[in-house]
Amino acid sequence: GEQVEQRPPHLSVREGDSAFITCTYTDPNSYYFFWYKQEPGASLQLLMKVFSSTEINEGQGFTVLLNKKDTRLSLNLTAAHPGDSAAYFCAVSAGNMGYKLTFGTGTSLLVDP
Amino acid sequence: AQTIHQWPVAEIKAVGSPLSLGCTIKGKSSPNLYWYWQATGGTLQQLFYSITVGQVESVVQLNLSASRPKDDQFILSTEKLLLSHSGFYLCAWSLARGNTEVFFGKGTRLTVV
Repeated sequence: GEQVEQRPPHLSVREGDSAFITCTYTDPNSYYFFWYKQEPGASLQLLMKVFSSTEINEGQGFTVLLNKKDTRLSLNLTAAHPGDSAAYFCAVSAGNMGYKLTFGTGTSLLVDP
Repeated sequence: AQTIHQWPVAEIKAVGSPLSLGCTIKGKSSPNLYWYWQATGGTLQQLFYSITVGQVESVVQLNLSASRPKDDQFILSTEKLLLSHSGFYLCAWSLARGNTEVFFGKGTRLTVV
């Protein structure tokens, strides 16, 4: 089945710096990709949903890159601020298994003021 | 607007005791429903999904069971808790057609002692 490796597991940056998180997935038929943010003790908040047809997606303060050739999904938080401190998870859904969402192992991000 | 309510918010239970966690989704007819488990500091593991009332599919075996007695209700249970059941349990929903974003409830924190 699908496996998703996420790096790095922990990341510490200064306020204003970029934070880069990468997920590598194994199923080339994966079609939907998601990034979630989880603040301490809280549930998951959807940051962005990415379709396999779009390589670059921009959100508020972040960019998501999808490289299907290398089966890699990346999240780049530009100009990080302390409020971005949280755990971030990528998630991948295979095209014919819409009910099965495989999560990455998570990245704990700390943004120092 | 859709709302997802999980209960209880937290539980402390003894090894060998029974467990019942609940989830209700309002404002969305016939959603797909999911149970996820997250070990402390870990990633999310999908436990069950349901696409219709009375039908539940198991994704991983953790000595837990799930039921969907009503269209808007999803129950997670076991007759005998293990220490390894400790963690954060998240109920979630998505649109019925699948391959769409999954929205999470606020979770139940379970501690088995």
